This record gives sequence, C-alpha cells and structure tokens, in this order.
Amino acid sequence: EAGVVQSPRYKIIEKKQPVAFWCNPISGHNTLYWYLQNLGQGPELLIRYENEEAVDDSQLPKDRFSAERLKGVDSTLKIQPAELGDSAVYLCASSLATGEVNEQYFGPGTRLTVT
Amino acid sequence: KQEVTQIPAALSVPEGENLVLNCSFTDSAIYNLQWFRQDPGKGLTSLLLIQSSQREQTSGRLNASLDKSSGRSTLYIAASQPGDSATYLCAVDSGYSTLTFGKGTMLLVSP
Repeated sequence: EAGVVQSPRYKIIEKKQPVAFWCNPISGHNTLYWYLQNLGQGPELLIRYENEEAVDDSQLPKDRFSAERLKGVDSTLKIQPAELGDSAVYLCASSLATGEVNEQYFGPGTRLTVT
Repeated sequence: KQEVTQIPAALSVPEGENLVLNCSFTDSAIYNLQWFRQDPGKGLTSLLLIQSSQREQTSGRLNASLDKSSGRSTLYIAASQPGDSATYLCAVDSGYSTLTFGKGTMLLVSP
C-alpha cells in the first residue's frame, strides 16, 4: 500500500513569489492534515480536512496561505506571497478516523527555502 | 492549551544499551498518545499509538507506557542499535484529531 505522497520534495523560491505544495493521502483516508515544521521543533497543525471540508483552519495564516481539497482526496497548500520566515518543512498527513483512535500517517514533507 | 515536553533534548549512547525517552503533557484529558520517529530530511514514521484506556504498547524492541493521571509517557528502547539513531517525537491527541507535538529527543547510537 502506498503511503502519503507529497511533491515537490524541495523548493527554493525568492521572497514575494507564490509556491504550491501537493499531497495525495493514503487511499481511503478521509482526514487530511497540513503541518508546518520549523528546524528543531515539532510539527504544528495548519489545517485539517474531513473529506472536502476544512474543519480546523484556526492556525492557517489566511492573509497569505490557502488550501483546498477538491473531491475529498488530493490537497494543495499555497503560499502567496512567500516571506523569508516561511522557510520550513511542510508535512502532509492522513488518517482514517474511527472513533477515538485516529492514527496519523505522514508523508516525506516538502522543504521550502525562501531567499 | 496542551503543552508537550520531551526530555532529554539529545541523547548519545553506545550500541547495546537500553534507554528511556520521556514525554510529559500538561492536560491529562487526552484521547491517545503517539510516538514517532523522524530521520534527517524525512517525514515522520509512526512507532506506537497508546489509547487513553491503555497503559502500554509494545512493538519489537520498543515499549511505550502511558500514565495519563500524571501526564507522562515513556518510550523504552531495548538493546539499542546504530539504526535507531533518529529524532523521536511524542504527540498527544487531546480531541478533534489535533496532535500537539513535543520538540523531540535526538538519539545517537554509536557502534
């Protein structure tokens, strides 16, 4: 079974440019998450989808970040315009929520460098 | 707001040693706790998930315990190997499937 797929794996852009990340979750997983991980820190949730609905986007900086999950499968996270402080690893995770057990599976991440 | 702390931040041991990684959390009202491994430049690999009603989980040389009332979990690694070198992250699900992570323990096992 394929795991969570993310692309690109690495991206270098200049500040003020737009950038987009793509995630394909594990087949059948209804919940999808985008996390931000800064160097030396644990991941922090940006947005959580249940099917195609964004049910928790309270930590998403909506002035420059946007996300979508069309048809409740793949998801795209966009930053426009990017700032130097956005340099980090962006992780996508998915899970099949069944009651209280909700084991999350992570993709390899996209490492963004803003120059 | 849930806060997760991991001690130590870094650990270096010789091959073959048994070791314990510690995780503490401030709000004991959790659904489950998950331990992850992260290799440099890679994503997170789930190692063990302990539900709030459980006290421990085992997988091979790994054993994770949970004491919800005191807000603590430990990850025990038996007979450590160089391949165990990685960062180990503890994460708590306090509801609504939202994980709160610690900063991790960076483990180095030398041959």
